[in-house]
Amino acid sequence: SQQGEEDPQALSIQEGENATMNCSYKTSINNLQWYRQNSGRGLVHLILIRSNEREKHSGRLRVTLDTSKKSSSLLITASRAADTASYFCATARLGQNFVFGPGTRLSVLP
Amino acid sequence: DAGVIQSPRHEVTEMGQEVTLRCKPISGHDYLFWYRQTMMRGLELLIYFNNNVPIDDSGMPEDRFSAKMPNASFSTLKIQPSEPRDSAVYFCASSLQRGSGANVLTFGAGSRLTVL
Repeated sequence: SQQGEEDPQALSIQEGENATMNCSYKTSINNLQWYRQNSGRGLVHLILIRSNEREKHSGRLRVTLDTSKKSSSLLITASRAADTASYFCATARLGQNFVFGPGTRLSVLP
Repeated sequence: DAGVIQSPRHEVTEMGQEVTLRCKPISGHDYLFWYRQTMMRGLELLIYFNNNVPIDDSGMPEDRFSAKMPNASFSTLKIQPSEPRDSAVYFCASSLQRGSGANVLTFGAGSRLTVL
């Protein structure tokens, strides 16, 4: 299956620390995206990285993509309590739809 | 734009009743997706439309589920009759392109359905 799998399932850190979440997938992709979901809300797009890119930054977010290992990581630097949410990776393959992983639940403790 | 608008936000109903969930996508978006989210199964794609036409409904769990998109600004997901196992959060999302492009999904806030 194309589905991404996030790791870890849950992560708890202190405010100010960095949070790293990983995503692995099984088939070739065109791009990989990360989404955030706050409790009781819809998913919000964070960042997209194309298959020919290796690293991308957006504010405190850093995403890497290793197509040879079929994996991606999302790094949130200097975490804040407001970063507490579930984070999902979504893979997209040519001609097919987005497929979401089960997510990583991040808790940032003040 | 107000984003993707879903209604109702919460619905509690009894088993056997008909449930209709509604979605207004972002103006100009060609694609509309219906997802279901549960703790056990995560986020599942139920059906998607392109220019109001259903393209892939292979994710619709049973014949009890149906979806329509009568025009570019409105879609419904109907469950008839509803069952307790249908309890979930149902999300509508829209995009300019399917996943192969560089565009992204914009999600609504979701409709939380509880079937007693």
